[in-house]
Amino acid sequence: NAGVTQTPKFRVLKTGQSMTLLCAQDMNHEYMYWYRQDPGMGLRLIHYSVGEGTTAKGEVPDGYNVSRLKKQNFLLGLESAAPSQTSVYFCASRRPQGAVNTEAFFGQGTRLTVV
Amino acid sequence: TQLLEQSPQFLSIQEGENLTVYCNSSSVFSSLQWYRQEPGEGPVLLVTVVTGGEVKKLKRLTFQFGDARKDSSLHITAAQPGDTGLYLCAGAGEETSGSRLTFGEGTQLTVNP
Repeated sequence: NAGVTQTPKFRVLKTGQSMTLLCAQDMNHEYMYWYRQDPGMGLRLIHYSVGEGTTAKGEVPDGYNVSRLKKQNFLLGLESAAPSQTSVYFCASRRPQGAVNTEAFFGQGTRLTVV
Repeated sequence: TQLLEQSPQFLSIQEGENLTVYCNSSSVFSSLQWYRQEPGEGPVLLVTVVTGGEVKKLKRLTFQFGDARKDSSLHITAAQPGDTGLYLCAGAGEETSGSRLTFGEGTQLTVNP
């Protein structure tokens, strides 16, 4: 079972370049999330989505945009990358609150370096 | 903004010792989860607590949800080197019907043999 798949796994960008991170899940989950993880700061929520065509801002949304055109995919875009966006990015998906199992399943992460 | 504060941030203990990790907030959560993360991997769920005052046990791990559903604790009895890892608490916000999932800063646990 694939679960949650993130592409790419590694990327180096120059300041000002743009890129899109792709997250795909095959569990038919309604909710999807993008987090960034920096040393000593746990996981910080960037954006999330409760269903196809809907997105919401998290704790640190500035500099990022997202889209959920299909239920199984959640895209994270960086329009003009900055060194402060160097981080490890995790995508996650889960069922809605109230479901029998609300475990969040995570991808393997994307390590992004902006130089 | 919902903040989840974990303490301690770092913990280094000897095999066989007991420990408690705390997760506190001023916000009320629909549910609270604990995850464990290994280097290079995404977090993996340990437990979900939903009811205020709820206590769950998973072998040597005991999880408790505060009565007011604002805080939680994780207690490990007789820690083993295999327990080493990053422990994260995560709260599903009540005001977003549980859709917004916020994580604490994490507790890096090292258990020395």
